[in-house]
Amino acid sequence: AQTVTQSQPEMSVQEAETVTLSCTYDTSESDYYLFWYKQPPSRQMILVIRQEAYKQQNATENRFSVNFQKAAKSFSLKISDSQLGDAAMYFCAYRRFQGGSEKLVFGKGTKLTVNP
Amino acid sequence: DVKVTQSSRYLVKRTGEKVFLECVQDMDHENMFWYRQDPGLGLRLIYFSYDVKMKEKGDIPEGYSVSREKKERFSLILESASTNQTSMYLCASSLSGATSYEQYFGPGTRLTVT
Repeated sequence: AQTVTQSQPEMSVQEAETVTLSCTYDTSESDYYLFWYKQPPSRQMILVIRQEAYKQQNATENRFSVNFQKAAKSFSLKISDSQLGDAAMYFCAYRRFQGGSEKLVFGKGTKLTVNP
Repeated sequence: DVKVTQSSRYLVKRTGEKVFLECVQDMDHENMFWYRQDPGLGLRLIYFSYDVKMKEKGDIPEGYSVSREKKERFSLILESASTNQTSMYLCASSLSGATSYEQYFGPGTRLTVT
């Protein structure tokens, strides 16, 4: 069974600094997708960044980047130049296709606090 | 922009009541999902649907059922609400296909069962 582990329930960072959120996953699949989702307080969950497992290059979206280590089954999120608006719950997720259906498996989340 | 709406942000029900949570998406997505979110447990999939009238159980379907009569609408039903079903419920939708389409989430319904 696929599992996703986020080992840091809470993290904090000073505004303008860099923080890395950890995620590991377990799968026997060779082709899959990984995602980081952000859930701000009392707001909708939104996609931050995605990574396709067959791509060697790490995904980047503005201040957000990932360090994808396929052999180690590790998928960490780096937030550079942290802003107050980055404060949120962050969920790592693994997406698998099986026949005509799909499924997202989420980690338990990391609560990120950004200190001014 | 894709929009996923849920019928209520907050809901308070009594034990034993039948509860309906409604979700509507406006982007013609084939797939729709219901998750439950609890502190320290993350999001857990209750049910999902990949087409009208089609449904599949997720990881925690016990005590829940779903209905999808129209493509844009996916309902979660608690046949007889219990206090352990007090939680945040999130609906999501996505396009179907073997590509990295993301899931779009609704704002959530915080259900309290007393």
